[in-house]
Amino acid sequence: ETGVTQTPRHLVMGMTNKKSLKCEQHLGHNAMYWYKQSAKKPLELMFVYSLEERVENNSVPSRFSPECPNSSHLFLHLHTLQPEDSALYLCASSQGGLAGVETQYFGPGTRLLVL
Amino acid sequence: GDSVTQMEGPVTLSEEAFLTINCTYTATGYPSLFWYVQYPGEGLQLLLKATKADDKGSNKGFEATYRKETTSFHLEKGSVQVSDSAVYFCALSDRKAAGNKLTFGGGTRVLVKP
Repeated sequence: ETGVTQTPRHLVMGMTNKKSLKCEQHLGHNAMYWYKQSAKKPLELMFVYSLEERVENNSVPSRFSPECPNSSHLFLHLHTLQPEDSALYLCASSQGGLAGVETQYFGPGTRLLVL
Repeated sequence: GDSVTQMEGPVTLSEEAFLTINCTYTATGYPSLFWYVQYPGEGLQLLLKATKADDKGSNKGFEATYRKETTSFHLEKGSVQVSDSAVYFCALSDRKAAGNKLTFGGGTRVLVKP
């Protein structure tokens, strides 16, 4: 499945580092999402972009900064993270609109470890 | 707000056994319902979906029926295989004009033994 790709697949960073996660979708969709998947917690929606505009920000700390330069690319910029931010970060995309159901398609995720 | 509750795992089964994973939801409107599956080391894949009451979603031998009266969307498979070992997530969609929001259950880990 190559519809939604994420890089890197694994990342280890210190608390003072700055890094970025990248997501790219090849499905022609117009909405993109970041989710956080932690052990023993439900999947948490972090950000939603529709038509390159952020439409949802679920009370995410400012040390996470999303960027959506176009409808195919989504970034998550990370700085001064905490160990509790270690998780699997999943990107998804969907085709938005009033008609029909928006099925979200997920990438493989980036496994992040903050030391 | 919207919420999804699914049975906690792990669920351990023998090959060819019958699998049921319960899922119930709370929603203010008329959501669409989904089952996603996550195989080890991978992201989530859509398994099946249903968009209105009494719809049945099916794929790869799995089925789930949208039951509005019991607010449930239980996943079933008649004969599981070792390759079905994964984590299964029930989710509902809160439809909006600009991007939709998926609310997930906590996931149920299924382990199928030969």
